[in-house]
Amino acid sequence: EDQVTQSPEALRLQEGESSSLNCSYTVSGLRGLFWYRQDPGKGPEFLFTLYSAGEEKEKERLKATLTKKESFLHITAPKPEDSATYLCAVQAAGNTGKLIFGQGTTLQVKP
Amino acid sequence: DTGVSQDPRHKITKRGQNVTFRCDPISEHNRLYWYRQTLGQGPEFLTYFQNEAQLEKSRLLSNRFSAERPKGSFSTLEIQRTEQGDSAMYLCASSSGSRGDTQYFGPGTRLTVL
Repeated sequence: EDQVTQSPEALRLQEGESSSLNCSYTVSGLRGLFWYRQDPGKGPEFLFTLYSAGEEKEKERLKATLTKKESFLHITAPKPEDSATYLCAVQAAGNTGKLIFGQGTTLQVKP
Repeated sequence: DTGVSQDPRHKITKRGQNVTFRCDPISEHNRLYWYRQTLGQGPEFLTYFQNEAQLEKSRLLSNRFSAERPKGSFSTLEIQRTEQGDSAMYLCASSSGSRGDTQYFGPGTRLTVL
């Protein structure tokens, strides 16, 4: 069964304290792995798509990497405005449209 | 820049009533998706359209749920005879169907069933 697990469930950082979020996945052929940011009461906001092992993408203080079994979202020198829930999702190869999401990691960055 | 829009943003209803939600996708996107999200969980897939054709439905979509996309533009999701367990955020997303098929989400409709 296709599955996504994120860790940790919650993470508290001081402003400027870098860290990484983990997304482990099992899927019958990977079409794409997606990272989203979600603020309370809002819809997920797209961050990155990764397609194959070894791929990396960066945006401001965020960098996403992908291996055959997991993805990491690295946050460098976070700021309080980076506080949010970060969701990882996979889309399996084949004729499917659905994304399979993990439960998310809630990040709190304190000033 | 018009993203995905959803209406209403909040809906409070009594158990047993029917509710209908609307989603307007990004204008050039031919794929439209519905998800449900409960507190502390990631979104769960419900169904997906390519143009007006409903191509995939989750086992989560019981016979009380129906979705339509009559002209391949906006979509509606109807829940009949609502139950307290239907309380959740209902999210709509759209995509262009290109490589990677990145889905862009709307703000969601928060449903509360009393």
